[in-house]
Amino acid sequence: DGGITQSPKYLFRKEGQNVTLSCEQNLNHDAMYWYRQDPGQGLRLIYYSQIVNDFQKGDIAEGYSVSREKKESFPLTVTSAQKNPTAFYLCASRRTGLTGELFFGEGSRLTVL
Amino acid sequence: GQQVMQIPQYQHVQEGEDFTTYCNSSTTLSNIQWYKQRPGGHPVFLIQLVKSGEVKKQKRLTFQFGEAKKNSSLHITATQTTDVGTYFCAGFMNGQNFVFGPGTRLSVLP
Repeated sequence: DGGITQSPKYLFRKEGQNVTLSCEQNLNHDAMYWYRQDPGQGLRLIYYSQIVNDFQKGDIAEGYSVSREKKESFPLTVTSAQKNPTAFYLCASRRTGLTGELFFGEGSRLTVL
Repeated sequence: GQQVMQIPQYQHVQEGEDFTTYCNSSTTLSNIQWYKQRPGGHPVFLIQLVKSGEVKKQKRLTFQFGEAKKNSSLHITATQTTDVGTYFCAGFMNGQNFVFGPGTRLSVLP
């Protein structure tokens, strides 16, 4: 089945540690996105990538980093510089252009202890 | 910056009642999409509206895009318990990414 896979689903980390969230898609989509969702709130854009080896900051990129070395993969690193990292992280992909919906993974829930 | 607002934030209805959520953008949108997120789940695409004044229906759901392409609405007729969740609108901006509204959380009492 085609889709988008995030791992891990749940992750606990101590303060001061970096953690990397995986996002893989086999939909052949060029564009990939990372969103953060806090309880009872909407989705805020962290980073997005329209093509391999290129990515742009979203609205809340501070404390995060990404790479896009392969079309299928768009990992997100939550660094120790992120002051409030506990959140639900959603990865999405879509074909580029004006139309085309976002396909979301099931999300990764990060808790900082 | 570019903003997308949604009201109401929460809505509690009795099963069988109608429900409407409204979405407003500070700027003109290329298109708008609607997503539904069930409790504990991830957002799932419902529909996309592109043309000014466009109206689309999906069974009990009716979606509208304003004439100025700055607002949209989602109306559910005769809600069911399966309609429970948070409904998000997302405006496509800059030709590259979506800006999501904060969502409307719908509760349906049986």
